Amino acid sequence: EVQLVQSGAEVKKPGESLKISCKGSGYSFTNYWIGWVRQLPGKGLEWMGIIYPDDSETRNSPSFQGQVTFSVDKSINTAYLQWSSLKASDSGMYYCARSHSSSWNDGYDIWGQGTMVTVSS
Amino acid sequence: SYEVTQPPSVSVFPGQTASITCSGDKLGEKYVYWYQQRPGQSPVLVIYHDVKRPSGIPERFSGSNSGNTATLTISGTQTMDEADYYCQAWDRNTVTFSGGTKLTVL
Repeated sequence: EVQLVQSGAEVKKPGESLKISCKGSGYSFTNYWIGWVRQLPGKGLEWMGIIYPDDSETRNSPSFQGQVTFSVDKSINTAYLQWSSLKASDSGMYYCARSHSSSWNDGYDIWGQGTMVTVSS
Repeated sequence: SYEVTQPPSVSVFPGQTASITCSGDKLGEKYVYWYQQRPGQSPVLVIYHDVKRPSGIPERFSGSNSGNTATLTISGTQTMDEADYYCQAWDRNTVTFSGGTKLTVL
């Protein structure tokens, strides 16, 4: 079964760092882009950017440029989303998703279950 | 930045046809993707490349895209189709999602 499994919910304080993960299985992990999508409580989907596991090429949304870092460890089929200094406004659900093909500009056919991030003092 | 817009809500009776539109400048020149998101669940791709259905998606889901408008059509709508629906397009190396449409099955 093709799937993406994300790490569990996190509760952090403002200013703390965080790294969440997304592990792929059931397919060739290095051949498909992994995208990250944020969903604030009660709101819509926001595209953050994508990373290609084979060579770690990334493309970022201008809205999130400099705010987060994408990385990957292809030896364990895992992608990461990282913050160096969290803000309360970062609280929300974060999804990873696999591109439908090996093209960077495609849709996303496999989604992780989401990781809820709560940032509160 | 590129924007795509959808009506906030659409209502339909069971068995009827639901149409959800997505509008954007020259949207017909781009590929459009549609996602279904039920409450508390992850999004599911229901249409890609304007008109194609991923495996496992019922035939009652169809799509079209021309001019400035893409449309997701659900024929014979079922209560299980009640969900939020989002359209997505690429523009200049960036993904744009719409604000979403809440489909209510009356």
